[in-house]
Amino acid sequence: KAGVTQTPRYLIKTRGQQVTLSCSPISGHRSVSWYQQTPGQGLQFLFEYFSETQRNKGNFPGRFSGRQFSNSRSEMNVSTLELGDSALYLCASSLNPGGATEAFFGQGTRLTVV
Amino acid sequence: GESVGLHLPTLSVQEGDNSIINCAYSNSASDYFIWYKQESGKGPQFIIDIRSNMDKRQGQRVTVLLNKTVKHLSLQIAATQPGDSAVYFCAETGPNQAGTALIFGKGTTLSVSS
Repeated sequence: KAGVTQTPRYLIKTRGQQVTLSCSPISGHRSVSWYQQTPGQGLQFLFEYFSETQRNKGNFPGRFSGRQFSNSRSEMNVSTLELGDSALYLCASSLNPGGATEAFFGQGTRLTVV
Repeated sequence: GESVGLHLPTLSVQEGDNSIINCAYSNSASDYFIWYKQESGKGPQFIIDIRSNMDKRQGQRVTVLLNKTVKHLSLQIAATQPGDSAVYFCAETGPNQAGTALIFGKGTTLSVSS
């Protein structure tokens, strides 16, 4: 079956702009999590959605937001982009939330802020 | 804050050797641990997981060991191959985490020479 699909793969934005990233989970998976990966901070949890509700949120400013649709697809948005937002944004899907659940990652969206 | 870390940022081995990648975690309440492999340009790929009620789990050429007494996790790769070259991350989640928020270590880069 198809894996987790993230679009776009690459993105270049200017400081101050906003960006929306998309994630389609594995068919049947209802939980979607987002992570930011940078060389300095590594992989950091952003937020998780299940049944269109945000279940958990990491320690990121309010400029980072997300949502989930009824078909489990998810989007994350970053407003007022800063240079430090340049990163690989990864989406992971799992069958159900609640810990101890295998999460499958997409290939990520590489965001560059100039 | 609580975090999961790896002992060594890099590990170089010869093809055919066994590799051992280590990880120390700080949250004694964590009850689920995962090892991921990330190749260049790709998202993390699930390798193997283990729950806190186990101390060893084996997969194909891989074994994960969990020592809860010293809060240590290791990944053993048997007969390491060039295709095993990647960055390896340990991740944990626990009962105090709603949903499947994973806390990742910094990663160990495994280089396999033939």
